[in-house]
Amino acid sequence: IQMTQSPSSLSASAGDRVTITCRASQDITNSLAWYQQIPGKAPKLLLYAASRLESGVPSRFSGSGSGTDYTLTVSSLQPEDSATYYCQQCYSTPWTFGQGTKVEIK
Amino acid sequence: QLQLQESGPGLVKPSETLSLTCTVSGYSITSYSYYWAWIRQPPGKGLEWIGNIYYSGSTYYNPSLESRVSISVDTSKSQFSLTMTSMTAADTAVYYCASRLSSGWFDYWGQGTLVTVSS
Repeated sequence: IQMTQSPSSLSASAGDRVTITCRASQDITNSLAWYQQIPGKAPKLLLYAASRLESGVPSRFSGSGSGTDYTLTVSSLQPEDSATYYCQQCYSTPWTFGQGTKVEIK
Repeated sequence: QLQLQESGPGLVKPSETLSLTCTVSGYSITSYSYYWAWIRQPPGKGLEWIGNIYYSGSTYYNPSLESRVSISVDTSKSQFSLTMTSMTAADTAVYYCASRLSSGWFDYWGQGTLVTVSS
């Protein structure tokens, strides 16, 4: 299953609402996870099952979607959110990731 | 809390075999809940799932790498290992070990280890 994210990168100001989109090449029935990767660090799980927040993740992160189209939203961007975000389909092997969206704080 | 730590050589020569080990702590490697996975990331690029193993020894590999990859588990040492043969420069990457729930997402990751393939 191919995962396509958009945009590839974005620049936004602190406090802005930011949305990242992930499209699967087939219906993945909400079997989607989102990760945040800060440069030089391992990815960190943010959300799973499309919209469930991992324990300890700030509530400004949310996820939605169904079928083939999913979104990650940051309701009020913070400086520490500067990172690359990846989606991953958990529907079938081989598990595949999107190409990433780099978020920069202006 | 579950922790994972990769270990192995940082430099491998072309055509040689890579061997990496991941040590699991803070949680039982024989847990029914988890599969144990390897994921890699070439410099400046995205993430690629290599494969995973269950404590029983059942393995699942990415078809793109299956002919060169083997994953094994040593429950007595709380470790699982990756072997990748015929390494080329294209295999230069940060290699992560991670825990994967049966639902498919990776909830804990090691810090990663950079493997460079060069003569």
